[in-house]
Amino acid sequence: DTAVSQTPKYLVTQMGNDKSIKCEQNLGHDTMYWYKQDSKKFLKIMFSYNNKELIINETVPNRFSPKSPDKAHLNLHINSLELGDSAVYFCASSHDRYNEQFFGPGTRLTVL
Amino acid sequence: GNSVTQMEGPVTLSEEAFLTINCTYTATGYPSLFWYVQYPGEGLQLLLKATKADDKGSNKGFEATYRKETTSFHLEKGSVQVSDSAVYFCALGGKTGGGNKLTFGTGTQLKVEL
Repeated sequence: DTAVSQTPKYLVTQMGNDKSIKCEQNLGHDTMYWYKQDSKKFLKIMFSYNNKELIINETVPNRFSPKSPDKAHLNLHINSLELGDSAVYFCASSHDRYNEQFFGPGTRLTVL
Repeated sequence: GNSVTQMEGPVTLSEEAFLTINCTYTATGYPSLFWYVQYPGEGLQLLLKATKADDKGSNKGFEATYRKETTSFHLEKGSVQVSDSAVYFCALGGKTGGGNKLTFGTGTQLKVEL
C-alpha cells in the first residue's frame, strides 16, 4: 500500500526515558512533517524537512530532535520525556513544500 | 500571524440532516484552504481543498467555497450519514519562507445519529 506509516502506534513509557518514533512514506514525496495533537485534539506543527533539509522548526524544546536519513524517512527522537509530552504525534508528507499533506495514522505517546 | 477559527462542537445531527461547520481565517497573502477529517482512532485524511478565492472544493458530498471577502471556508453537506461521524479540521496553508506550514483550527466533532 502506498501511504505514510508510523511505528509504533502506541508508546507507553516512564518520565525521564528517551524514545524514538519512526515515519516512512512511499509516496515519493520530497517534504515530511511532524505534528503534535494534544488531548483537546489541537494540532500544531513541530518540524518539516524538505529533501533531508530542515525547513520548519517551531518553538519545540531541545529535547525533541528530528532526523531524516533520506527523503522517505523522518524520525523523531525525544530525550528526557516529561508528562506534558503525552500526545498523539502525526507524521505527514507532501509532494513538495507547497502541496497538500498526507498524514500517517499517528503514534499515541503516554508518559507516566 | 495566521489563524483559523472553527465552530465548537460537538455537533449532533440526525441522519439525512444538513450540515454546516463554520470556519473563518486570518492570513496574510493568499493561502490555500483545506478540510481534513479524522475518524476515530485514525490519522487525518484530506477531505477537500481550495487554492484561490471563489474556488469550490468538493468530495464525498461535502463542499466548501473559498470566500475571500468574508475570509471563510464553511464546510457543508446536504445529507449526512452515520459514517460521517468524525472530527473535522479546517486548515490554512501558509507559504512561509520555509514551506507550507498548515495552521489548523481546533476541530469540530460531528456525531450523526439514526
